[in-house]
Amino acid sequence: ETGVTQTPRHLVMGMTNKKSLKCEQHLGHNAMYWYKQSAKKPLELMFVYSLEERVENNSVPSRFSPECPNSSHLFLHLHTLQPEDSALYLCASSLEGQQSEQFFGPGTRLTVL
Amino acid sequence: DAKTTQPTSMDCAEGRAANLPCNHSTISGNEYVYWYRQIHSQGPQYIIHGLKNNETNEMASLIITEDRKSSTLILPHATLRDTAVYYCIVIHGAGSYQLTFGKGTKLSVIP
Repeated sequence: ETGVTQTPRHLVMGMTNKKSLKCEQHLGHNAMYWYKQSAKKPLELMFVYSLEERVENNSVPSRFSPECPNSSHLFLHLHTLQPEDSALYLCASSLEGQQSEQFFGPGTRLTVL
Repeated sequence: DAKTTQPTSMDCAEGRAANLPCNHSTISGNEYVYWYRQIHSQGPQYIIHGLKNNETNEMASLIITEDRKSSTLILPHATLRDTAVYYCIVIHGAGSYQLTFGKGTKLSVIP
């Protein structure tokens, strides 16, 4: 596989469920990102990992928990979400030092019931 | 980062050049102009970026005015697959983790 992949592509969960979103990049990048895109709103940066360390956390509720076990993989663990968390969750990667040139995955469409 | 202004929407006939303008009148000397696009229900895609010289790659050309207050993204032969929202972003030269996407221009390529 090439580029940035995300699984699952679609997810429906209840408010009491625990689920995880997975992102994998095959580009040799060393920075990875989680973004949230709600309907008719601009992209919102949630988390940034550079060289496997979290470097940004933009006031995201604790019900979202990121994990970056290595430079190729990024997870977003979800628990006790709210219906307003329904959105498209996008993962991206870049080279550290070229962080304005980000490569995005196709996203996970999350619906919270 | 400087603010950008783009038209809300544009149409372009298939096979013709699509010229997408962007105003960034408050841009500073060390800020770059980046272009991304987002096809419906997909992640954004990097297209091109530049500082002050015109740039070209396999996807598009970027023309930046001499005073750097505006730029134009040119898709030389638009296809139906180029229908997307196009975002012009101004970013500090040191690079930024935060890509601030505005509302962009919705380009519709018409058969």
